[in-house]
Amino acid sequence: AAGVIQSPRHLIKEKRETATLKCYPIPRHDTVYWYQQGPGQDPQFLISFYEKMQSDKGSIPDRFSAQQFSDYHSELNMSSLELGDSALYFCASSLPGDKAFFGQGTRLTVV
Amino acid sequence: SQQGEEDPQALSIQEGENATMNCSYKTSINNLQWYRQNSGRGLVHLILIRSNEREKHSGRLRVTLDTSKKSSSLLITASRAADTASYFCATARMDSSYKLIFGSGTRLLVRP
Repeated sequence: AAGVIQSPRHLIKEKRETATLKCYPIPRHDTVYWYQQGPGQDPQFLISFYEKMQSDKGSIPDRFSAQQFSDYHSELNMSSLELGDSALYFCASSLPGDKAFFGQGTRLTVV
Repeated sequence: SQQGEEDPQALSIQEGENATMNCSYKTSINNLQWYRQNSGRGLVHLILIRSNEREKHSGRLRVTLDTSKKSSSLLITASRAADTASYFCATARMDSSYKLIFGSGTRLLVRP
């Protein structure tokens, strides 16, 4: 069965650069979530979308933005990267109120 | 943690023993979900329990939910070395089903 696909799997960027992370949800899932997980930390909710509209916002820095496109894939754009942005970034998708399926994550390293 | 605490933070047991992990949360919820994560890997969904349910089973997993105490427990019976992982609970709040909030996780080590 198709799962949530994230790309790239690994990304190395320098401070102050920009990064774009992509997420392709499971077909027919209309809800997408983004999470950030630092080393040894629990996943922190960043933002979610339902039917291509932003539905909830968590602890997402102003330097980050996200959107969901007409084909339901989502992108997380991160600008002016800081060392502290180094983390695993997960995308998940679900039907509303149902279990969420997570991708394998993008490991972002800012140097 | 954005939502609550998991207890214990770390648990070490012998293969064959049962493992119990607890999760507390702060707000009214629509459902509570348990996830497993191997180090540096993705989160794998284990079980979802809705706010009107009190207990749910899936294979060697048993989840209970006490909404009056705002707590849940995950029991893994007859543990195996392959169960070694971090376990997280996540809640979907009543005011929004589109935000899953994670607890701080329990690191489980099952010794062979």
